[in-house]
Amino acid sequence: NAGVTQTPKFQVLKTGQSMTLQCAQDMNHEYMSWYRQDPGMGLRLIHYSVGAGITDQGEVPNGYNVSRSTTEDFPLRLLSAAPSQTSVYFCASSPSGNSYEQYFGPGTRLTVT
Amino acid sequence: AQSVTQPDIHITVSEGASLELRCNYSYGATPYLFWYVQSPGQGLQLLLKYFSGDTLVQGIKGFEAEFKRSQSSFNLRKPSVHWSDAAEYFCAVGMDSNYQLIWGAGTKLIIKP
Repeated sequence: NAGVTQTPKFQVLKTGQSMTLQCAQDMNHEYMSWYRQDPGMGLRLIHYSVGAGITDQGEVPNGYNVSRSTTEDFPLRLLSAAPSQTSVYFCASSPSGNSYEQYFGPGTRLTVT
Repeated sequence: AQSVTQPDIHITVSEGASLELRCNYSYGATPYLFWYVQSPGQGLQLLLKYFSGDTLVQGIKGFEAEFKRSQSSFNLRKPSVHWSDAAEYFCAVGMDSNYQLIWGAGTKLIIKP
């Protein structure tokens, strides 16, 4: 049972490049989320999904896309990277039902130059 | 608006001393309450949670937290800190109908030898 996995661990992009951050969970959790973490700002929600085929925007969705074709996978796409997207990105999952408890992946540190 | 406040950005404590980290929230009803810990370069790990019942909850690593409804607080405590407790601590509150957490900005704990 690997829990929540994220790849890559580190990434450097040039402004304007696109890329996909991968997230997978093997706990059969319905809910999955993407956060970004910036110093002094805690965690900010980018996008989330309440189940396969269903996604919605969080607090800071601009510049990011998501899809959820399977229960296990929830990739985050950066369409055209900007220096403001330099951050640490965390994927999290939660069991189905009325549960807020989240399980986190190890994070991806992204630098945009 | 719903919010979570961790008033201390940094706290420095001597090894062996007691610890209290503060968390206050703004919400009309009783929320679900969480404390997470993030060690340097790592993802977030759940320390403890409160859903209902006894307002003093025990967590992992010797931590406990007390929910005080009258003060809208959920402070984290530990009677004697160890150097390995140096980390960043996040308070989170579940009060969103989409089962998402609202996060505090975090408190960085520094341990003096």
